[in-house]
Order: sequence, then structure tokens, then C-alpha cells
Amino acid sequence: QAQLVESGGGVVQPGRSLRLSCDASGFTFSNYAMHWVRQAPGKGLEWVTVILYDGSNKYYADSVRGRFTISRDDSKNTLYLQMNSLRIEDAAVYFCARDSQDCSSTNCYLSGSMDVWGRGTMVTVSS
Amino acid sequence: DIQMTQSPSSLSASVGDRVTITCRTSQTISNSLNWYQQKPGKAPKLLIYASSTLQTGVPSRFSGSASGTDFALTINSLQPEDFATYYCQQSYSTPFTFGPGTKVDIK
Repeated sequence: QAQLVESGGGVVQPGRSLRLSCDASGFTFSNYAMHWVRQAPGKGLEWVTVILYDGSNKYYADSVRGRFTISRDDSKNTLYLQMNSLRIEDAAVYFCARDSQDCSSTNCYLSGSMDVWGRGTMVTVSS
Repeated sequence: DIQMTQSPSSLSASVGDRVTITCRTSQTISNSLNWYQQKPGKAPKLLIYASSTLQTGVPSRFSGSASGTDFALTINSLQPEDFATYYCQQSYSTPFTFGPGTKVDIK
């Protein structure tokens, strides 16, 4: 079955960088757009970014645009999130999630709903 | 950006109750509204997409409806495993915003 496993979280000082990874298995990774969603401790869900199935477009939340970069390596079935200039308010559990739309057919669009989620990786930003 | 509100922010209910959670968007989004369930320490789970379509494997006691910019998630005959936090999310345009959540706990 489809599975996503995040890694790369940890403790980092404000202003520093961190790269998260998300390893996909059990489905054809290259057919799907992929999202990152985060959740600060005790708070709700915040959508962060998405990359289309072919990497042609990327979209970001205002709170991370210009600091975070999403990318993918379909040869490795891996999604990445490069986080630069980290702030205290970036501390959260980061989930990767699969977009619901399978783009193996010609009728491909960005669904925006997320049907497969990883368990998350914790990022702590502290001096 | 599209703003999302949910009500109530929390509710207490008993097993067997019928529960309705509402979500309102700041602008028309067609039927591009999704519902997720999240239990403590776990990842969210997609319950309903496109406002009223049940995700595969989700029990039929869950249902979704829409009227303009108002959306609702109804749980008929609440079960013990349904105590969780529920989030709505719009997928009409980026950024794909979530509602603040509704926590359903045991009365």
C-alpha cells in the first residue's frame, strides 16, 4: 500500500537551514503532486507548499515563500523541503502528503485534497 | 487568500449521537472542500473530498454537504473511534487553507 516516511527533522537555531525528506513507496510517485503540511505544537494544520507531478510548478504559503523550496527526485521516489532562514514560528511537525489526483491519465489536475500522509517529522527552532 | 472558519471549535457528544460540524469559506469555492480527521499524535486522514464524496474505506456514517459558502460534515451514530479533531480544507486555490479545527470529545 502507499506509504510516505519523512525524515530530517531536528533542533536548529534561528536563521539556520534544514532539509526534510519524504520517501514514497507503494505507488508510482512520478504520477502525483506532493504537498508539505505542518502543525505547530497544540495548533491546527497549515498547508505549506505543493509541487506538481512533473515538477513544472510549485506553490507556497506566504509564510514560507522565499525561504522554503520544495523539490522532488522521481528516480529516488523522494520529496524534499529545503528550509532556510528558519524562524521560531517554523517549529512544527512537518507532514508530507500525496495529492489525490493520479496524473497517469491525460485528465490531470491539481486536486488539492491529500489522500496519503506520512507520520511527520518534528522541527524545533530554538537558540 | 481564502479564509476558513469552523464551528463549533469543540463539542462533547455521546456514542450514538448525530454530530454536525460546519465550515464557512470567505468566498465561493464551488465544491472544492475536503474534510480530515486527526487523532492525537497521528497524521490527518482524508474523510470526504469535493464536499460530499466519501473517501474509499471511510464508513458511511460520515457525510458531507454544501450550500454556497457553507459546508457541513455530519457523523451519524457517533462511534468511540470517531472522537478526534476534524478539519475542513479548501482546495479551490492556493494557498490551500485549513479551518481551525473542531475537537469532538466524549460527554
